[in-house]
Amino acid sequence: EVQLVESGGGLVQPGGSLRLSCAASGFTFSSYSMNWVRQAPGKGLEWVSYISSSSSTIYYADSVKGRFTISRDNAKNSLYLQMNSLRDEDTAVYYCARDKVVRGVIFAFDIWGQGTMVTVSS
Amino acid sequence: IQLTQSPSSLSASVGDRVTITCRASQGISSYLAWYQQKPGKAPKLLIYAASTLQSGVPSRFSGSGSGTDFTLTISSLQPEDFATYYCQQLNSYTFGPGTKVDIK
Repeated sequence: EVQLVESGGGLVQPGGSLRLSCAASGFTFSSYSMNWVRQAPGKGLEWVSYISSSSSTIYYADSVKGRFTISRDNAKNSLYLQMNSLRDEDTAVYYCARDKVVRGVIFAFDIWGQGTMVTVSS
Repeated sequence: IQLTQSPSSLSASVGDRVTITCRASQGISSYLAWYQQKPGKAPKLLIYAASTLQSGVPSRFSGSGSGTDFTLTISSLQPEDFATYYCQQLNSYTFGPGTKVDIK
């Protein structure tokens, strides 16, 4: 079964750090580019970051640039999000999501994890 | 690139035909996807490339459009379709604000 499972969420104080993980199974992880998407309580979806299959290309949303770092370990079938200098507005469910690529073009996010909750509060 | 969706919410009955619109602030060709999300669950991909049905998604869902104007249509609303629907553009990955479909 194709699956993504996030972990690492929790309660952290403003200014603190947290590292999220996403474990992939059921597909060749090293062949796919990946993303992190978040959803604040009662709000819509916000794309956070992208990493290519080889880690050669990385993008961030302006809201997290300079504070968050995406990475991956293809040998461990894992995706990561290092979150530093956390703010109240970073409180959200964080999802990892796989790119749907057709003939080399990204058309959607086709596989999503169940999400992990990050709460930033004093 | 900004996306707007209309309406932001709608009430409908089982069997109704439902249409949701997504508009992009600039042309995005056919690089648009639609997702369904139910409370407490991850989003589920319905449509990609503006009009291609994702494998396993019922045929009552359809998408159309290109450039800046797109629509998601549910031909006959089923009880399991009550959810929030999001569009997403794949040039810079942003999502629309969502359309909540609830029971009339």
